[in-house]
Amino acid sequence: GQNIDQPTEMTATEGAIVQINCTYQTSGFNGLFWYQQHAGEAPTFLSYNVLDGLEEKGRFSSFLSRSKGYSYLLLKELQMKDSASYLCAVRDYNDYKLSFGAGTTVTVRA
Amino acid sequence: NAGVMQNPRHLVRRRGQEARLRCSPMKGHSHVYWYRQLPEEGLKFMVYLQKENIIDESGMPKERFSAEFPKEGPSILRIQQVVRGDSAAYFCASSPEREQYFGPGTRLTVT
Repeated sequence: GQNIDQPTEMTATEGAIVQINCTYQTSGFNGLFWYQQHAGEAPTFLSYNVLDGLEEKGRFSSFLSRSKGYSYLLLKELQMKDSASYLCAVRDYNDYKLSFGAGTTVTVRA
Repeated sequence: NAGVMQNPRHLVRRRGQEARLRCSPMKGHSHVYWYRQLPEEGLKFMVYLQKENIIDESGMPKERFSAEFPKEGPSILRIQQVVRGDSAAYFCASSPEREQYFGPGTRLTVT
Protein backbone atom coordinates (compact mmCIF):
# COMPACT_ATOMS: atom_id res chain seq x y z
CA GLY A 1 0.00 0.00 0.00
CA GLN A 2 0.89 3.65 -0.06
CA ASN A 3 1.13 6.33 2.62
CA ILE A 4 1.33 9.83 1.15
CA ASP A 5 1.67 13.00 3.19
CA GLN A 6 1.49 16.61 2.13
CA PRO A 7 0.63 19.81 4.01
CA THR A 8 -3.02 20.73 4.20
CA GLU A 9 -2.76 24.42 3.38
CA MET A 10 -0.27 27.03 2.22
CA THR A 11 -0.62 30.75 1.60
CA ALA A 12 1.63 32.92 -0.51
CA THR A 13 1.71 36.33 -2.15
CA GLU A 14 1.24 37.00 -5.84
CA GLY A 15 4.61 36.90 -7.61
CA ALA A 16 6.25 34.82 -4.89
CA ILE A 17 7.44 31.20 -4.90
CA VAL A 18 5.83 28.32 -3.04
CA GLN A 19 7.17 24.81 -2.50
CA ILE A 20 4.76 21.98 -1.73
CA ASN A 21 6.40 18.93 -0.19
CA CYS A 22 5.18 15.38 -0.49
CA THR A 23 6.55 12.34 1.30
CA TYR A 24 5.54 8.80 0.54
CA GLN A 25 6.04 5.26 1.71
CA THR A 26 5.46 2.53 -0.77
CA SER A 27 6.13 -1.15 -1.26
CA GLY A 28 7.06 -0.46 -4.88
CA PHE A 29 7.46 2.69 -6.93
CA ASN A 30 6.65 3.45 -10.54
CA GLY A 31 6.35 7.19 -10.73
CA LEU A 32 5.10 10.26 -8.90
CA PHE A 33 2.55 12.66 -10.33
CA TRP A 34 1.38 16.15 -9.46
CA TYR A 35 -2.10 17.34 -10.34
CA GLN A 36 -3.81 20.70 -9.93
CA GLN A 37 -7.46 20.80 -8.96
CA HIS A 38 -9.58 23.94 -8.82
CA ALA A 39 -12.66 23.78 -6.62
CA GLY A 40 -15.42 21.82 -8.26
CA GLU A 41 -13.31 20.83 -11.23
CA ALA A 42 -11.33 17.83 -12.48
CA PRO A 43 -7.69 17.30 -11.54
CA THR A 44 -5.38 18.36 -14.36
CA PHE A 45 -1.99 16.76 -14.94
CA LEU A 46 1.02 18.94 -14.07
CA SER A 47 4.10 16.75 -13.91
CA TYR A 48 5.55 13.27 -13.73
CA ASN A 49 8.81 12.10 -12.12
CA VAL A 50 10.15 8.57 -12.18
CA LEU A 51 13.89 9.26 -11.93
CA ASP A 52 15.65 11.37 -9.31
CA GLY A 53 16.05 15.01 -10.11
CA LEU A 54 14.24 18.11 -11.20
CA GLU A 55 11.71 18.36 -14.02
CA GLU A 56 10.98 21.91 -15.13
CA LYS A 57 7.94 22.98 -17.07
CA GLY A 58 7.44 26.71 -17.31
CA ARG A 59 6.59 28.20 -13.93
CA PHE A 60 6.18 24.74 -12.39
CA SER A 61 8.99 22.38 -11.41
CA SER A 62 8.87 19.02 -9.68
CA PHE A 63 11.65 17.25 -7.85
CA LEU A 64 12.01 13.63 -6.81
CA SER A 65 14.32 11.73 -4.46
CA ARG A 66 13.43 8.06 -4.50
CA SER A 67 15.85 7.13 -1.71
CA LYS A 68 14.17 9.63 0.60
CA GLY A 69 10.62 9.00 -0.58
CA TYR A 70 10.30 12.72 -1.17
CA SER A 71 9.06 15.06 -3.84
CA TYR A 72 8.24 18.72 -4.09
CA LEU A 73 6.30 20.89 -6.50
CA LEU A 74 7.69 24.39 -6.96
CA LEU A 75 5.42 27.14 -8.20
CA LYS A 76 7.19 30.31 -9.30
CA GLU A 77 5.87 33.80 -10.09
CA LEU A 78 2.60 32.96 -8.43
CA GLN A 79 -0.58 34.22 -10.04
CA MET A 80 -4.04 34.47 -8.56
CA LYS A 81 -5.22 31.70 -10.85
CA ASP A 82 -2.75 29.34 -9.15
CA SER A 83 -5.04 29.25 -6.11
CA ALA A 84 -6.09 25.61 -6.13
CA SER A 85 -5.52 22.25 -4.51
CA TYR A 86 -2.34 20.43 -5.52
CA LEU A 87 -2.43 16.66 -5.39
CA CYS A 88 0.58 14.39 -5.04
CA ALA A 89 0.01 10.87 -6.37
CA VAL A 90 2.19 7.77 -6.46
CA ARG A 91 1.95 4.76 -8.71
CA ASP A 92 2.99 1.40 -7.37
CA TYR A 93 5.39 -0.74 -9.39
CA ASN A 94 2.90 -3.48 -10.01
CA ASP A 95 -0.16 -1.31 -10.42
CA TYR A 96 -1.48 1.27 -12.76
CA LYS A 97 -3.72 2.93 -10.21
CA LEU A 98 -2.69 6.13 -8.47
CA SER A 99 -2.69 6.64 -4.73
CA PHE A 100 -3.34 10.27 -3.87
CA GLY A 101 -2.42 12.42 -0.94
CA ALA A 102 -5.18 14.52 0.58
CA GLY A 103 -4.03 17.57 -1.36
CA THR A 104 -2.52 20.92 -0.44
CA THR A 105 -4.75 23.97 -0.79
CA VAL A 106 -2.69 26.92 -1.98
CA THR A 107 -4.14 30.40 -1.56
CA VAL A 108 -2.50 33.22 -3.48
CA ARG A 109 -3.06 36.68 -2.04
CA ALA A 110 -2.60 40.00 -3.78
CA ASN B 1 -9.24 15.30 -29.57
CA ALA B 2 -12.05 15.50 -27.05
CA GLY B 3 -11.12 14.96 -23.44
CA VAL B 4 -12.57 12.44 -21.05
CA MET B 5 -16.31 12.90 -20.92
CA GLN B 6 -18.56 12.11 -18.02
CA ASN B 7 -22.29 12.39 -17.63
CA PRO B 8 -24.31 13.44 -15.94
CA ARG B 9 -22.31 16.23 -14.29
CA HIS B 10 -24.74 16.38 -11.41
CA LEU B 11 -27.02 13.61 -10.20
CA VAL B 12 -29.51 13.69 -7.37
CA ARG B 13 -30.95 10.44 -6.07
CA ARG B 14 -33.13 9.53 -3.13
CA ARG B 15 -31.97 6.88 -0.71
CA GLY B 16 -32.60 3.44 -2.15
CA GLN B 17 -32.51 4.47 -5.80
CA GLU B 18 -29.89 3.47 -8.33
CA ALA B 19 -27.21 5.78 -9.71
CA ARG B 20 -25.58 5.22 -13.10
CA LEU B 21 -22.49 7.22 -13.95
CA ARG B 22 -21.03 7.19 -17.44
CA CYS B 23 -17.52 7.79 -18.68
CA SER B 24 -16.23 7.99 -22.24
CA PRO B 25 -12.42 7.85 -22.34
CA MET B 26 -10.25 9.91 -24.62
CA LYS B 27 -9.97 8.54 -28.12
CA GLY B 28 -7.32 5.86 -28.31
CA HIS B 29 -7.24 5.26 -24.54
CA SER B 30 -8.02 1.72 -23.47
CA HIS B 31 -7.53 2.09 -19.72
CA VAL B 32 -10.28 3.53 -17.52
CA TYR B 33 -10.11 4.29 -13.81
CA TRP B 34 -12.80 5.39 -11.39
CA TYR B 35 -12.02 7.46 -8.31
CA ARG B 36 -14.22 8.85 -5.56
CA GLN B 37 -13.60 12.13 -3.81
CA LEU B 38 -15.43 12.84 -0.59
CA PRO B 39 -15.71 16.46 0.62
CA GLU B 40 -12.39 17.70 2.03
CA GLU B 41 -10.68 14.41 1.19
CA GLY B 42 -8.30 13.14 -1.46
CA LEU B 43 -9.16 11.01 -4.43
CA LYS B 44 -9.57 7.34 -3.63
CA PHE B 45 -9.12 4.66 -6.25
CA MET B 46 -12.13 2.46 -6.84
CA VAL B 47 -11.68 0.33 -9.97
CA TYR B 48 -9.48 -0.08 -13.05
CA LEU B 49 -10.91 -1.48 -16.26
CA GLN B 50 -9.84 -2.26 -19.77
CA LYS B 51 -12.28 -3.12 -22.53
CA GLU B 52 -14.53 -5.94 -21.27
CA ASN B 53 -12.24 -6.65 -18.32
CA ILE B 54 -12.06 -5.57 -14.71
CA ILE B 55 -8.36 -5.47 -13.90
CA ASP B 56 -8.44 -4.23 -10.31
CA GLU B 57 -11.52 -3.54 -8.20
CA SER B 58 -9.75 -3.51 -4.85
CA GLY B 59 -11.00 -0.02 -4.00
CA MET B 60 -14.63 -0.66 -4.70
CA PRO B 61 -17.10 -1.63 -1.95
CA LYS B 62 -18.12 -5.26 -2.31
CA GLU B 63 -21.81 -4.54 -2.13
CA ARG B 64 -24.01 -2.23 -4.19
CA PHE B 65 -21.18 -1.02 -6.45
CA SER B 66 -20.33 -2.43 -9.86
CA ALA B 67 -18.45 -1.24 -12.93
CA GLU B 68 -18.17 -2.26 -16.54
CA PHE B 69 -16.41 -1.17 -19.70
CA PRO B 70 -18.12 -2.91 -22.61
CA LYS B 71 -16.66 -3.45 -26.03
CA GLU B 72 -18.88 -0.69 -27.36
CA GLY B 73 -19.98 2.35 -25.42
CA PRO B 74 -18.91 4.13 -22.28
CA SER B 75 -17.73 2.75 -18.99
CA ILE B 76 -20.48 2.66 -16.38
CA LEU B 77 -20.23 2.85 -12.62
CA ARG B 78 -23.44 1.62 -11.04
CA ILE B 79 -24.43 2.19 -7.44
CA GLN B 80 -27.50 0.34 -6.27
CA GLN B 81 -29.66 1.32 -3.30
CA VAL B 82 -27.74 4.53 -2.70
CA VAL B 83 -27.22 5.83 0.82
CA ARG B 84 -26.29 9.31 2.03
CA GLY B 85 -22.67 8.25 2.46
CA ASP B 86 -22.42 7.71 -1.30
CA SER B 87 -22.69 11.46 -1.84
CA ALA B 88 -19.38 12.43 -3.42
CA ALA B 89 -17.69 13.46 -6.63
CA TYR B 90 -16.91 10.50 -8.87
CA PHE B 91 -14.10 11.02 -11.34
CA CYS B 92 -13.21 8.88 -14.27
CA ALA B 93 -9.73 8.94 -15.77
CA SER B 94 -8.36 7.40 -18.92
CA SER B 95 -4.83 6.61 -19.87
CA PRO B 96 -2.89 5.47 -22.90
CA GLU B 97 -0.23 4.12 -20.57
CA ARG B 98 1.37 6.55 -18.12
CA GLU B 99 -0.35 9.74 -17.05
CA GLN B 100 -4.06 9.68 -16.38
CA TYR B 101 -6.40 12.32 -17.73
CA PHE B 102 -9.44 13.08 -15.67
CA GLY B 103 -12.98 13.84 -16.71
CA PRO B 104 -15.01 16.66 -15.15
CA GLY B 105 -16.63 14.31 -12.65
CA THR B 106 -20.15 13.47 -11.61
CA ARG B 107 -21.33 15.00 -8.39
CA LEU B 108 -23.76 12.62 -6.76
CA THR B 109 -26.06 13.90 -4.05
CA VAL B 110 -28.20 11.45 -2.15
CA THR B 111 -31.17 13.00 -0.36
